[in-house]
Amino acid sequence: EAGVTQFPSHSVIEKGQTVTLRCDPISGHDNLYWYRRVMGKEIKFLLHFVKESKQDESGMPNNRFLAERTGGTYSTLKVQPAELEDSGVYFCASSQQPFYGYTFGSGTRLTVV
Amino acid sequence: AQTVTQSQPEMSVQEAETVTLSCTYDTSESDYYLFWYKQPPSRQMILVIRQEAYKQQNATENRFSVNFQKAAKSFSLKISDSQLGDAAMYFCAYRRRNTGNQFYFGTGTSLTVIP
Repeated sequence: EAGVTQFPSHSVIEKGQTVTLRCDPISGHDNLYWYRRVMGKEIKFLLHFVKESKQDESGMPNNRFLAERTGGTYSTLKVQPAELEDSGVYFCASSQQPFYGYTFGSGTRLTVV
Repeated sequence: AQTVTQSQPEMSVQEAETVTLSCTYDTSESDYYLFWYKQPPSRQMILVIRQEAYKQQNATENRFSVNFQKAAKSFSLKISDSQLGDAAMYFCAYRRRNTGNQFYFGTGTSLTVIP
């Protein structure tokens, strides 16, 4: 089965610009999660979708971040406007059941200059 | 709040030798899962091993084993007979068992395997 796909793998943007990250989960996985790792720090939870609904968005840092999952398939995470502190690696994961069997993607490395 | 601490930012091991990566965590829960994930460079993060807190027996997966000390809230990973393909960033993670499903990760340990 295909894994969790994220793109782009790398993105370099200027402060103030907008960037959209995309995640394609494993087909049939209703649960989709976003995480972020700021360089040298721990990986932190951002939010969790169940199908197209946001189940938990307690980790979203501020309103510059907007996550969507149209039709319960792929998800996008938009950062607008990007700030320097948004740099890091953004991971997506999906699972069939909410408590078990995460599969992670390779991550998108975002650099804001 | 749950926190996971990995005190070794970098480790190295000679090929075929054994290395132990440390992890401690803090929680007031009694039932939870602990995990070690591995992320090779530019590749997806994959599950190495998982431990259920209610099980006293340490989990093992081939060359990977854990030393789970619940009272001490310690969860170390031992890699035996290290191979070049073991070189990666290793993340320790915690998740509550039944309520909430987000992972709490440590800061990671970068493992280098020396030929």
